Order: sequence, then structure tokens, then C-alpha cells
Amino acid sequence: AQKITQTQPGMFVQEKEAVTLDCTYDTSDPSYGLFWYKQPSSGEMIFLIYQGSYDQQNATEGRYSLNFQKARKSANLVISASQLGDSAMYFCAMRERNQAGTALIFGKGTTLSVSS
Amino acid sequence: DTGVSQDPRHKITKRGQNVTFRCDPISEHNRLYWYRQTLGQGPEFLTYFQNEAQLEKSRLLSDRFSAERPKGSFSTLEIQRTEQGDSAMYLCASSSNREGTDTQYFGPGTRLTVL
Repeated sequence: AQKITQTQPGMFVQEKEAVTLDCTYDTSDPSYGLFWYKQPSSGEMIFLIYQGSYDQQNATEGRYSLNFQKARKSANLVISASQLGDSAMYFCAMRERNQAGTALIFGKGTTLSVSS
Repeated sequence: DTGVSQDPRHKITKRGQNVTFRCDPISEHNRLYWYRQTLGQGPEFLTYFQNEAQLEKSRLLSDRFSAERPKGSFSTLEIQRTEQGDSAMYLCASSSNREGTDTQYFGPGTRLTVL
């Protein structure tokens, strides 16, 4: 079974609009971490935002926020006020046990295209 | 801090040849990870080092693959007798226990093409 599911292969949005990228996860571990990374065409994975399973509030980092719904096991990324430079592949990842040294498990990604 | 660097960025080799990739982590990051990413997929974990000790290896890491981090700083990943199925992007990441979330920061990757 997939541990991380990203159901949207591609998303299209206009500049200055908000967009939500979906991510659902599957784990029986009570302690886990959720991450979002951006991968432009250059290939580098850029860290965007982190949410721990015990965090009470949704994480925010500038224009990025994470809509964390623990009971539904979803961790959707919300990008407000999209910019052309946001066009990239976006990956949701999970770290089970949420302890240092644990490998990240990635989804298959969502391609975001921002148009002017 | 400079980011994670990887060398080379691209490598084209013939089947059967050996290749070696280098990763320099963010300075003072004691944890280093290798991942492999094929087209249209997310990265998959290969191996993990804490300082110079290799603490975890994925089943993806066949006997033809070996990784080292001899002084706890840079790391190398060697693939012997390359096969066409080894063609992929090889990503290195590092993290530090000084940073509360132990977030992994990635390098630009080495894209390997095996002909």
C-alpha cells in the first residue's frame, strides 16, 4: 500500500491565485513528520514546510501553509498568491517514528503550472 | 551556510563501467542520506550515515552499490558494473540534530545515464 498518495498529477493556476496540493498518508505510528518539497526543472529538492504529528497548529512558512487534518490523514499544501516561479514539481514526504536518521518516504508528486 | 553540493552534476557511462559520485553536506551536518529518483517518481531512500557510520541501507542498495563517508564529512557513492536500470538522478541530503525538526536538505543531484 502507498504510504504517501498525491492524487493530482498536474495542477494549473493563474498568477496571484491560491492553490491546494493534496497529500494523504498512511501510517500506524503515532509519531511522524510530514514535509513538502519543491523540485524545479533544475532537479534540486527545496524544503518548503514541516508538520509534526503532535503539532497543535497548522504549519505556515510565508506563502506556504499546511492544512493538517490528522483524523483524515491528510496534509495538503496551500500556496497563496501563486507566482510564475512556483511552477515546479511538488512532493509530499513522511518520516515515520519522526526521529532523526529516519528515511523520508515520498509521494509521486504533483506538477504545478502557474500562468500569467 | 553553503548548501549541499554534489559532483558531477551529470554522468554518462557505458554499461559495465564503474562510476563514483561525491556529496558534500552542509558543514557541521552530522547526518547524510542518499536517495535515487527515476523519471516520474519521488525519491527513494538508499542509505544513511550518522557521522562516518553507515547505519541504514535500503534493499534497493544492491551489492554493486557501495557508499562511504570516511571522515564524517563528504560521502561517495560508487556503482560497479553499471546497468541500464541504474539510470536515474542520485540525490544526497544532509541534516543536523541541532535543528529541532532534523529537516533533510538536498543537493542538486547527479543525473546518471547508462548507455
